[in-house]
Amino acid sequence: GDSVTQMEGPVTLSEEAFLTINCTYTATGYPSLFWYVQYPGEGLQLLLKATKADDKGSNKGFEATYRKETTSFHLEKGSVQVSDSAVYFCALSGPNAGGTSYGKLTFGQGTILTVHP
Amino acid sequence: DSGVTQTPKHLITATGQRVTLRCSPRSGDLSVYWYQQSLDQGLQFLIQYYNGEERAKGNILERFSAQQFPDLHSELNLSSLELGDSALYFCASTLGDRTSRRNKNEQFFGPGTRLTVL
Repeated sequence: GDSVTQMEGPVTLSEEAFLTINCTYTATGYPSLFWYVQYPGEGLQLLLKATKADDKGSNKGFEATYRKETTSFHLEKGSVQVSDSAVYFCALSGPNAGGTSYGKLTFGQGTILTVHP
Repeated sequence: DSGVTQTPKHLITATGQRVTLRCSPRSGDLSVYWYQQSLDQGLQFLIQYYNGEERAKGNILERFSAQQFPDLHSELNLSSLELGDSALYFCASTLGDRTSRRNKNEQFFGPGTRLTVL
């Protein structure tokens, strides 16, 4: 079945450091890929998404590129802020091509990011 | 604010009891998804309803059931509760019942219900 693997956390960085959170997936067909963020005490918010190979999703300085050849969707940000401290989830939904996935999301285990001033 | 509401926010109960969690989707959304977030299992899909009908099932226990009502709100019923059922339960809503390259069915999540079974 579908699965998502995220890098082990937690990740602790200083403000303005470069962030990478690795994500790889296993799926049949052509899934859509997502990064969700969960701030303390809140629900999940969609951070960015990509729906086909080589697409780049971006939002609030975060970027991730859908790499079909390496089945990866790594999250990057050039300069993190204290306000980026949260839990980040990589997820997939698929397949896209007429499959019967009905849109359910399969999540990675989440990566806790803490940014210090 | 995602527009998805969940009640109650917190629920504390004892083993063997039954509880009902409620979710109201965003205005106009027809699909509701339920997810469980626990420390050992992570975030797992439980079940999906679309316009009142069950669409997909995930790792949902037989002790759990759900339904979606004509006004599109959904309820997740958990019975014969065990300690291991303690978790955050999220619902999400979306307009359609599936995702595709053309269909931008972003899921909007509610704030969750934290269930504690003592």
